[in-house]
Amino acid sequence: DGGITQSPKYLFRKEGQNVTLSCEQNLNHDAMYWYRQDPGQGLRLIYYSQIVNDFQKGDIAEGYSVSREKKESFPLTVTSAQKNPTAFYLCASSYGRTQNEKLFFGSGTQLSVL
Amino acid sequence: AQSVAQPEDQVNVAEGNPLTVKCTYSVSGNPYLFWYVQYPNRGLQFLLKYITGDNLVKGSYGFEAEFNKSQTSFHLKKPSALVSDSALYFCAVRDSSPTGANNLFFGTGTRLTVIP
Repeated sequence: DGGITQSPKYLFRKEGQNVTLSCEQNLNHDAMYWYRQDPGQGLRLIYYSQIVNDFQKGDIAEGYSVSREKKESFPLTVTSAQKNPTAFYLCASSYGRTQNEKLFFGSGTQLSVL
Repeated sequence: AQSVAQPEDQVNVAEGNPLTVKCTYSVSGNPYLFWYVQYPNRGLQFLLKYITGDNLVKGSYGFEAEFNKSQTSFHLKKPSALVSDSALYFCAVRDSSPTGANNLFFGTGTRLTVIP
């Protein structure tokens, strides 16, 4: 999947627990994104980052947090404030230089609530 | 506000027949349009994009798409479907204007099934 690695592939969260999804890329891309995929709803943007140490909220940021301490890494934390976290989470990256660039996607993490 | 509509949740086509997956969009400025494909339990893979110029765009795996500004459509097509084309297809749009939304907006997806 184009040099983007997401882990784990499957993750289970207990009530009140925070969990962190990993996303690493070796494409030397500046921009990274987190999307949430629910059946019948397409992909919705959670957070994005265009440069190290900077990130912006997407359409559904509530209950999530991110960090961008390194260019290669953009971890997503699903906090206990996210009441409906069960979904397929996709990380993506791009060069971040123009708006017409394609995105490269990881293989995704399926998060389920125990 | 930008939006994308994929009016068909499911498209079935016989192997060897032409296929069309429909997409219409809405943006305030000129659109950048994309098609992605997703196989089960995998991430999305880029197929093709329209930026400007020729309305017929050719992409990966024999797919093409036609941009129609008057109908605000960007339908995905292939002359002869393969069983291996069976997957979930997403149309996406980004507003090219400087004041447009900064993210790529995806449709809800169309599941294509090619019947042997």
